[in-house]
Amino acid sequence: DIQMTQSPSTLSASVGERVTITCRASRSISSWLAWYQQKPGKAPKLLMYEASRLESGVPSRFSGSGSGTEFTLTISSLQPDDFATYFCQQYIDDSRSTFGGGTKVEI
Amino acid sequence: EVQLVESGGGLVQPGGSLRLSCAASGFTFSSYAMTWVRQAPGKGLEWISTLTSSGGSTYYADSVKGRFTISRDNSKNTLYLQMNSLRAEDTAIYYCARERVVGATGDAFNIWGQGTVVTVSS
Repeated sequence: DIQMTQSPSTLSASVGERVTITCRASRSISSWLAWYQQKPGKAPKLLMYEASRLESGVPSRFSGSGSGTEFTLTISSLQPDDFATYFCQQYIDDSRSTFGGGTKVEI
Repeated sequence: EVQLVESGGGLVQPGGSLRLSCAASGFTFSSYAMTWVRQAPGKGLEWISTLTSSGGSTYYADSVKGRFTISRDNSKNTLYLQMNSLRAEDTAIYYCARERVVGATGDAFNIWGQGTVVTVSS
């Protein structure tokens, strides 16, 4: 199985700050990576797919980059609504997707 | 409105069984692969099973293989997860999710249900 490692596990930031979350894959996944945002008591919400493509309706302050084994999700200017937990997901393997452990963005 | 609504969760004893359902609406259900993802209390997301749009191919995580069965009824726009031989470690919120691309297997999930809670305890 492909292991996905996110860092940091917790991130303290302020409104207006630029925030970067990293996700590393145990082997190359090309650009088959997605990012999700999850708020307490809610289902995950797709933010990015194919590493850098913004899902429809997601604010442009979110961006993604990377390929191969290292990826980043950047929030250019953190907003109050962005305090949440973020997960990466690899989907290069049709039959066995895996998620990262999550990064909690808190004040 | 595109929507997924899970049901069937509850409290079950270790070794027991439960069947979850996921009712889809607002899109052509039969055109999409569907997946179950779970989240243990305070933990991350775990992919557990995917079923192709036709129902012809199924995929399972090792943690549930041989105990869980995914299926669908395209005439009822419903996805199922039959869970047998349940263990304490199966306690989680179970989400159904839709692949982003029509016909694809192995893609991001852009539609999620609200989840249904399964608790395995004596």
